[in-house]
Amino acid sequence: GAGVSQSPSNKVTEKGKDVELRCDPISGHTALYWYRQSLGQGLEFLIYFQGNSAPDKSGLPSDRFSAERTGGSVSTLTIQRTQQEDSAVYLCASSFLAGGDNEQFFGPGTRLTVL
Amino acid sequence: DQQVKQNSPSLSVQEGRISILNCDYTNSMFDYFLWYKKYPAEGPTFLISISSIKDKNEDGRFTVFLNKSAKHLSLHIVPSQPGDSAVYFCAASDRHVTDKLIFGTGTRLQVFP
Repeated sequence: GAGVSQSPSNKVTEKGKDVELRCDPISGHTALYWYRQSLGQGLEFLIYFQGNSAPDKSGLPSDRFSAERTGGSVSTLTIQRTQQEDSAVYLCASSFLAGGDNEQFFGPGTRLTVL
Repeated sequence: DQQVKQNSPSLSVQEGRISILNCDYTNSMFDYFLWYKKYPAEGPTFLISISSIKDKNEDGRFTVFLNKSAKHLSLHIVPSQPGDSAVYFCAASDRHVTDKLIFGTGTRLQVFP
């Protein structure tokens, strides 16, 4: 059984370049979440998709960050004009339904390093 | 403003003894609390949760206690095993508003023989 998968596992980029991070949620999960963990910090919520509803973008740190979810499945997180403070592990999670006691299952993360 | 706080960055416990990990929160609207465990280079894995209508939830060696008046929860692991060595994150959500989780900064637990 496949869990949440993320690609790439590691990404090194130069300051100012754009990056795309991919998340494949567990099949059948309607909710998808992006978090990030900076060095020495807890997980920070970024954005949340639930079915066809408008996403909750309240955690995106700047307008350089955007995400989309195509066909209710795969999601891509895009960071434009990357900055060194964007360096972090970006984690994706999915859950079967939103609400209630629905556990979020996490992928292994993408470690982004901005030089 | 840190809404979920784990004030102990690390904890060291002998195998077989009890591990107690603590978490404090500030938002009284949180109604669902979870503990996740994270090994290096892996995503967090769900451990145990508790709804605000309860004050205790037990699953095998793991028990979570919730004290709403003190806005405090704790995770008890007994007996502790070396395989429990990991970083433990406390998380909370206000499910009336959203399903996003607010995480603490984590506590690194080391269980030694």
